[in-house]
Amino acid sequence: AQSVSQHNHHVILSEAASLELGCNYSYGGTVNLFWYVQYPGQHLQLLLKYFSGDPLVKGIKGFEAEFIKSKFSFNLRKPSVQWSDTAEYFCAVNNNAGNMLTFGGGTRLMVKP
Amino acid sequence: DAGITQSPRYKITETGRQVTLMCHQTWSHSYMFWYRQDLGHGLRLIYYSAAADITDKGEVPDGYVVSRSKTENFPLTLESATRSQTSVYFCASTPGNEQYFGPGTRLTVT
Repeated sequence: AQSVSQHNHHVILSEAASLELGCNYSYGGTVNLFWYVQYPGQHLQLLLKYFSGDPLVKGIKGFEAEFIKSKFSFNLRKPSVQWSDTAEYFCAVNNNAGNMLTFGGGTRLMVKP
Repeated sequence: DAGITQSPRYKITETGRQVTLMCHQTWSHSYMFWYRQDLGHGLRLIYYSAAADITDKGEVPDGYVVSRSKTENFPLTLESATRSQTSVYFCASTPGNEQYFGPGTRLTVT
């Protein structure tokens, strides 16, 4: 069975700081990778996704993620965070053959103005 | 507008009562899912459905029942609510790969 680990449960940053959230998965085959964001009181929204091709994926709102196959990682980055990025971020994986997603435990990001 | 809706958005019920949470999607996606979200546990899959009349258990199915008589609807029933089922419930659907989530139902069992 596949699993997803997000090592940072809570992150607090000041505005303009750089962000990197870790995501590691365990699955030996081909995977599709996702980052979802959940703003306070809202539902999950897709931030970015990786299926194949360029391992550096650009998403909405200036976010990007890099797929490193050898490390089974898909870390989320943003060069300069804003207060409005305060949210919970979820990494998710599926095994490219189905419709089931396995989610990490989430990382709560608080950006101080 | 096309999308995925859930009702009610908020519900307070008493222990032992039956509660049904509704989920409706307008995309005709085959797959639909129910998750619960709890602090410290992230999102956990309760049940999913691959098509009308096809449902299967997820990670935490105990105490829940689902049905799917029509493609667009996927209700989740708590047959006898318990306090441990206090949570936020999200419905999702997918055309394949990425999932689209509803706004959630915040359920409190007293």
